Amino acid sequence: GAVVSQHPSWVICKSGTSVKIECRSLDFQATTMFWYRQFPKQSLMLMATSNEGSKATYEQGVEKDKFLINHASLTLSTLTVTSAHPEDSSFYICSARVRGAGFTDTQYFGPGTRLTVL
Amino acid sequence: AQKVTQAQTEISVVEKEDVTLDCVYETRDTTYYLFWYKQPPSGELVFLIRRNSFDEQNEISGRYSWNFQKSTSSFNFTITASQVVDSAVYFCALSNNNQGGKLIFGQGTELSVKP
Repeated sequence: GAVVSQHPSWVICKSGTSVKIECRSLDFQATTMFWYRQFPKQSLMLMATSNEGSKATYEQGVEKDKFLINHASLTLSTLTVTSAHPEDSSFYICSARVRGAGFTDTQYFGPGTRLTVL
Repeated sequence: AQKVTQAQTEISVVEKEDVTLDCVYETRDTTYYLFWYKQPPSGELVFLIRRNSFDEQNEISGRYSWNFQKSTSSFNFTITASQVVDSAVYFCALSNNNQGGKLIFGQGTELSVKP
């Protein structure tokens, strides 16, 4: 399968600081990447769809100015949590969509980033 | 509206037992895609299988098998002769290309395989 990496794997920061998380597709180009967050014992919640060369599409209830997404190349998308607060502490996961013939798209996921805001 | 339901929140079995994880979906689309992902304690989601709505053929991969039945809108996952390494949270997900490939996830089933 396709390989997706995330960096950092975990980060601890002080309240009020900004944190950038990188998502890279290592062996393929991804025109579309997705960002999810996951709270303990819960399912994944889609935050936004990141399209290369255009603005991200945010899901309802997700603050665009709080969670800045940049998809500047076909292999890299970044999520910046601005002015982080303790309630932003979560597990953030990205995925990259691999296009297949006949609409056989599949999403491959990164290993996730655990963010703890003190 | 699209929805995926995994009614089993937690399942505990003893090693070598067979176990079936249920997945029921709702969609009005005639073309859609179903997925199973495994999330071990490390957190990384591992892709297991993809099934297209127009392909109801069941699939077997080693100890894993999937039963897709459109008549009951179900896509169940069976692990035969379970092993401790199968312990993880398993997610069923639904997608259609009209929504840009978005995945709708079920709540997940936490499988615990005890030695």
